[in-house]
Amino acid sequence: SQQGEEDPQALSIQEGENATMNCSYKTSINNLQWYRQNSGRGLVHLILIRSNEREKHSGRLRVTLDTSKKSSSLLITASRAADTASYFCATDPSTGNQFYFGTGTSLTVIP
Amino acid sequence: GAVVSQHPSWVICKSGTSVKIECRSLDFQATTMFWYRQFPKQSLMLMATSNEGSKATYEQGVEKDKFLINHASLTLSTLTVTSAHPEDSSFYICSVAQNEKLFFGSGTQLSVL
Repeated sequence: SQQGEEDPQALSIQEGENATMNCSYKTSINNLQWYRQNSGRGLVHLILIRSNEREKHSGRLRVTLDTSKKSSSLLITASRAADTASYFCATDPSTGNQFYFGTGTSLTVIP
Repeated sequence: GAVVSQHPSWVICKSGTSVKIECRSLDFQATTMFWYRQFPKQSLMLMATSNEGSKATYEQGVEKDKFLINHASLTLSTLTVTSAHPEDSSFYICSVAQNEKLFFGSGTQLSVL
């Protein structure tokens, strides 16, 4: 399976705190992306980081990528209750045009 | 980004019947669409890549005769779950890729009784 793994599986924090989730993958990639999914809904793209980039910011999101370790992290700063959702990393392998998703982190932000 | 419409959003059917799910790219001509399956509290598993005008590419372990994919136009791909059984109950979701990003339909929750 080309599916990556994320940890933690579940994370519960207080509003205002930072949330960090990690993703590990198995193959060489063109880029790595993070998506958000509210329960029972489709996924929404959050941020893309290319294989030659190490860090990227977008609003309250900060993504890092370590291709030597085949890992990435997503940091959400100053979390809000509305950030409650599942977060998935997805990799775009160097070979083929498929996208493979990690196992996901379920984030709960308590107001 | 691309707008993707998926229909129906929820379907209940009897065991043995077939169910068709439609995925439409409303504002983008998609030569490729992706079909995923998701079990509760689990990740998305890529089932197949739908290619306009040609056969779909199925992931290992996915039965192509069970999950029929048709991509007859640049804006429509369909997934038919044939002779559905309770173990086929799942959340099915389609997506298109535009500018290296995936844009998803809202998903279809299939419940087979």
